[in-house]
Amino acid sequence: DAKTTQPNSMESNEEEPVHLPCNHSTISGTDYIHWYRQLPSQGPEYVIHGLTSNVNNRMASLAIAEDRKSSTLILHRATLRDAAVYYCIPYSGNTPLVFGKGTRLSVIA
Amino acid sequence: DVKVTQSSRYLVKRTGEKVFLECVQDMDHENMFWYRQDPGLGLRLIYFSYDVKMKEKGDIPEGYSVSREKKERFSLILESASTNQTSMYLCASSFPGKGLFYGYTFGSGTRLTVV
Repeated sequence: DAKTTQPNSMESNEEEPVHLPCNHSTISGTDYIHWYRQLPSQGPEYVIHGLTSNVNNRMASLAIAEDRKSSTLILHRATLRDAAVYYCIPYSGNTPLVFGKGTRLSVIA
Repeated sequence: DVKVTQSSRYLVKRTGEKVFLECVQDMDHENMFWYRQDPGLGLRLIYFSYDVKMKEKGDIPEGYSVSREKKERFSLILESASTNQTSMYLCASSFPGKGLFYGYTFGSGTRLTVV
């Protein structure tokens, strides 16, 4: 499994953009980059994924470095409901998802 | 809304009891998974299944077994519950193979306390 490095915690003000970084320097060529988040007292939920190109959906944007060794999850306007632990996971689909420690995002009103 | 439903949100059992944790999904997913989550240790994979009647051990299968008699249902069994199995248990499901485009859907979890 590719190793990932994420900050333990980050803080953001409400309604400001948040950039959550992830280093995955050992990612293989067939791994997609998946992001999940876990709200308090809930199971993780899928946020977004990508391979090489930047991706957007209704929840977030994903910016992937050209060398694929890092990526950034972008929440365009953080709300209190975005306070969660965010997990970055290189994933090929061949074996189950492996979760690291993730980044705990706090959002301040 | 697609769903993974875990039968209990909170459960308290005694040491030595046989415990069944049930998980049902309504998305026709082939793949199902059981994880446990503990503070400081994150989510760890216990067992998974890629098809009916099929099971594979995850990273921490000791003390657990599973049953998948129907596609939509995946049960986690604690043969003889012990206090070190006190944890949050999370069930998930996904489409097979390169289920890359759909992600995993998780249930809300069962917080099990063994006393």
